[in-house]
Amino acid sequence: QQQVKQSPQSLIVQKGGISIINCAYENTAFDYFPWYQQFPGKGPALLIAIRPDVSEKKEGRFTISFNKSAKQFSLHIMDSQPGDSATYFCAASYKAAGNKLTFGGGTRVLVKP
Amino acid sequence: DAGVTQSPTHLIKTRGQQVTLRCSPKSGHDTVSWYQQALGQGPQFIFQYYEEEERQRGNFPDRFSGHQFPNYSSELNVNALLLGDSALYLCASSQDSTGELFFGEGSRLTVL
Repeated sequence: QQQVKQSPQSLIVQKGGISIINCAYENTAFDYFPWYQQFPGKGPALLIAIRPDVSEKKEGRFTISFNKSAKQFSLHIMDSQPGDSATYFCAASYKAAGNKLTFGGGTRVLVKP
Repeated sequence: DAGVTQSPTHLIKTRGQQVTLRCSPKSGHDTVSWYQQALGQGPQFIFQYYEEEERQRGNFPDRFSGHQFPNYSSELNVNALLLGDSALYLCASSQDSTGELFFGEGSRLTVL
């Protein structure tokens, strides 16, 4: 059962543009929503994370927007750079499960120079 | 400070064989989790080890088993390999079961 649905599967953006990736979840018990970045041949690395007590969190060029009522959250990459070309995964977990993560299917982002 | 290290990086097995993958956690971490990442998909949780015991388990058959040693390193064993077991197997460590996960680069298993 896929509990976290991610879209789009892939996107191409010009350098300097905005990349937007969306995720929707089903389990209302989820209370931690991280985003991971994965380069080819590497393991996923934590990029930014949010908890449902805030609607937005910004770290540098990366912003998470969270909509609890819609059970959706999204990642915005501002001023996209070629070095941002990677696969991005949203994930979710809940307190009782500790740091056991349920991942979305991933979005492959290509930033063209 | 070494991060999470996994071995081997690549391996090829045939159907029905058994495989053992190894993981050394990041220094200071005591909890190890294993994930399976099929090509083009997100990682799926297999199980988590803490204090040498399996603490949580995902929806994987008993062919998947693991172990954690006193030095916190861990092994993932898969018996009776199927073609569908071909995937990248990721190890992640954390400081207890609530800390941030740090992933290794994975072991790429191909089953022929």
